[in-house]
Amino acid sequence: DIQMTQSPSSVSASVGDRVTITCRASQDISNWLAWYQQKPGKAPKLLIFATSTLQSGVPSRFSGSASGADFTLTIAGLQPEDFATYYCQQAKGFPWTFGQGTKVEIK
Amino acid sequence: EVQLVESGGGVVQPGGSLRLSCVVSGFTFSSYWMSWVRQAPGKGLEWVANIKQDGSEKYYVDSVKGRFTISRDNPKNSLYLQMNSLRAEDTAVYFCARLDTGRISYWGQGTLVTVSS
Repeated sequence: DIQMTQSPSSVSASVGDRVTITCRASQDISNWLAWYQQKPGKAPKLLIFATSTLQSGVPSRFSGSASGADFTLTIAGLQPEDFATYYCQQAKGFPWTFGQGTKVEIK
Repeated sequence: EVQLVESGGGVVQPGGSLRLSCVVSGFTFSSYWMSWVRQAPGKGLEWVANIKQDGSEKYYVDSVKGRFTISRDNPKNSLYLQMNSLRAEDTAVYFCARLDTGRISYWGQGTLVTVSS
């Protein structure tokens, strides 16, 4: 199985900060990487797919990139509505696997 | 508007069975792969199963193989998850989801399954 190691597990940040979350894949996943945002008691929401493609309707302060086996979600200019938990997910092979999640908290 | 509405969750004893349903609207159900994803209380997301548009291909996470069956009824715009031999570790919110290539594009609100004696 492909393991997705996500870091950090939590981050404290202020409105306006730049936040970076990383997922490392244990095997080559090409660009089959998506990012989701989940707020408490709600279903996850797709933010980015194919490593760097922004889902329709998602603000442009969210971006995705990759360097080798490391995939990064960047939030440029954190907004109050961005405080949530973020997950990466690989779709290169079954079983699909998620990272452990990163909780973005208010500093 | 895309909508996915799950039902069928509840409390079941270990070893018991439950069938989850998901009714969808707002898109052509028969044109999309579908999925079930679960989340144990306070934990992260876990993919459970995928099914192809015509039901001809199905994939499962190892922990549910032989116990869970994903199926669909395209004329009824419905997705199902038959869960047998349930264990305490199957306790979770189960989300129905619509797939696009390599991603989970739309999610239902989830239905809670609790396995407890």
